[in-house]
Amino acid sequence: AQSVTQLDSQVPVFEEAPVELRCNYSSSVSVYLFWYVQYPNQGLQLLLKYLSGSTLVESINGFEAEFNKSQTSFHLRKPSVHISDTAEYFCAVSDFTGGATNKLIFGTGTLLAVQP
Amino acid sequence: GAVVSQHPSWVICKSGTSVKIECRSLDFQATTMFWYRQFPKQSLMLMATSNEGSKATYEQGVEKDKFLINHASLTLSTLTVTSAHPEDSSFYICSARNRAESPLHFGNGTRLTVT
Repeated sequence: AQSVTQLDSQVPVFEEAPVELRCNYSSSVSVYLFWYVQYPNQGLQLLLKYLSGSTLVESINGFEAEFNKSQTSFHLRKPSVHISDTAEYFCAVSDFTGGATNKLIFGTGTLLAVQP
Repeated sequence: GAVVSQHPSWVICKSGTSVKIECRSLDFQATTMFWYRQFPKQSLMLMATSNEGSKATYEQGVEKDKFLINHASLTLSTLTVTSAHPEDSSFYICSARNRAESPLHFGNGTRLTVT
């Protein structure tokens, strides 16, 4: 079974400052890793994913995450945040043994609060 | 592509009544859909895996007689909260993937309030 730990429930940061949201996972098998973003009263939107290949993955809006197998981490970073980045961010993991039926297990989420 | 539509976006019902929530994959076929529940300021908890043409697989602790799931077609799964109580008030979100290796695509969720 997999599990995901997001140690920071809330991360306050000033606009244009860099930010890192931490994510660690536990699994006995190889995994896929994801970051999703949730705005208030909405569903989740995929931010970026790691399936295989390059360990550094990037999103279209400036976020990036690096898969570190030895540290079992998939931290999310952005060099300069905007007010509009304020949202809840969820790290998630699934294995790839069951194909389309693979469950996605979520961390507890981190609220990124960007202040002017 | 890969759009998941959920309806209604919010619903208020009286205690003891039943509520049906629909989840549709608009531009792909989904043999499997997932239903999650989210309490305020908490993470998403997987409730069940909905399988087209067969019974849903429920996670431990989820009452299958209370949360009825029907996946009658490759594009539609429904979650019915039966005999709703105030403690069932929550945000329910469905999701599906269009290919085995693709990420899950989520609906916009349904806010259920039971009075």
